[in-house]
Amino acid sequence: RKEVEQDPGPFNVPEGATVAFNCTYSNSASQSFFWYRQDCRKEPKLLMSVYSSGNEDGRFTAQLNRASQYISLLIRDSKLSDSATYLCVWNTDKLIFGTGTRLQVFP
Amino acid sequence: DAGITQSPRHKVTETGTPVTLRCHQTENHRYMYWYRQDPGHGLRLIHYSYGVKDTDKGEVSDGYSVSRSKTEDFLLTLESATSSQTSVYFCAIRVGSADTEAFFGQGTRLTVV
Repeated sequence: RKEVEQDPGPFNVPEGATVAFNCTYSNSASQSFFWYRQDCRKEPKLLMSVYSSGNEDGRFTAQLNRASQYISLLIRDSKLSDSATYLCVWNTDKLIFGTGTRLQVFP
Repeated sequence: DAGITQSPRHKVTETGTPVTLRCHQTENHRYMYWYRQDPGHGLRLIHYSYGVKDTDKGEVSDGYSVSRSKTEDFLLTLESATSSQTSVYFCAIRVGSADTEAFFGQGTRLTVV
């Protein structure tokens, strides 16, 4: 089993919709995660960190559920520009990435 | 701009030839990483470094070696390139301690024919 797993999608949603992605992890000792965003043929860039208390940044909310061993990313009021691949990252010295979830927002 | 550059950006090489990719940073960041990205697999760690001459293997290290003889450069070498090593290679650096975010280079597209 991979250490970090994601549904590859694609998630196709209309503008203005709310969409959520989950990422499951296998190591119960994991405490720190990131969400990265990657546009087509570009390098990944940090979207936000994931704290145990939850983290909100504008339309984006990230949460960590230790009991069920998953992290989530919620995007409200989706924009066309949110179309990208979202990567879940387990923050260890090795930085382990999930395979990514593709989001496509349509008009 | 985290001051990280990769070279070359694109390369086509023949099977069996050695290839070296370079990752250069302009600051003295301790952690550097090499990943490869392939459809359906996401980013997979090849090797990483936590200091000069300090390196460790990642998930897909077979067929690759690395060198970090000075802080600013992390080299990835394919000793004898194979078609299965056709991929996009990303270098990353950690800006700060081991729990801070990573910044990525723009990637190197390598094709082995």
